[in-house]
Amino acid sequence: AQKITQTQPGMFVQEKEAVTLDCTYDTSDPSYGLFWYKQPSSGEMIFLIYQGSYDQQNATEGRYSLNFQKARKSANLVISASQLGDSAMYFCAMRETFTGGGADGLTFGKGTHLIIQP
Amino acid sequence: GAGVSQSPRYKVAKRGQDVALRCDPISGHVSLFWYQQALGQGPEFLTYFQNEAQLDKSGLPSDRFFAERPEGSVSTLKIQRTQQEDSAVYLCASSLLGTGGLAVQETQYFGPGTRLLVL
Repeated sequence: AQKITQTQPGMFVQEKEAVTLDCTYDTSDPSYGLFWYKQPSSGEMIFLIYQGSYDQQNATEGRYSLNFQKARKSANLVISASQLGDSAMYFCAMRETFTGGGADGLTFGKGTHLIIQP
Repeated sequence: GAGVSQSPRYKVAKRGQDVALRCDPISGHVSLFWYQQALGQGPEFLTYFQNEAQLDKSGLPSDRFFAERPEGSVSTLKIQRTQQEDSAVYLCASSLLGTGGLAVQETQYFGPGTRLLVL
């Protein structure tokens, strides 16, 4: 089963509109972290925002916010007032507590290609 | 520089050649990760170091893949007898702390990647 599911392969959004990128995850670990990264065409993964499983409030970082619904296992990224420079691939990722025998890195979704139109 | 650096940025290899990819993490970062990103996919975890110790190599696809970090800073990912299916972007990431309960919240900072093409 997919641990991270991003159901939107691509999205077109008008400049200055808000956009929501979907992410659902699957884990039985009570302690985990959720991350969003941006990958422009240059290839580098740029960290955007983090949400911990025990955090009571939704994370925010400037124009980025995370709509965290723990019971539904979703962690959608919201970008307010989109800009042309927001055009990129966006990846949702999860890190579970290392309990031994499991991979210690981030597990990524397949990504969403966001294109901002003028 | 302050960020993670990787070299070379691009590598073309003939099938059967050995390649070595270098990663320079952020100074002082304890943890170092290697990921493989196939075209159109998200990165997939390969291996993890805490200082010089390789604590997890569960993602290495075959015994042709070998990674080291002998002095706990620079790391090298070596691929022996390259195959066409090894063509991908290889990303390196580092984070400040090691494993443990707080590790789930540790942000990983990525380098620009090495784009490997095996002909």
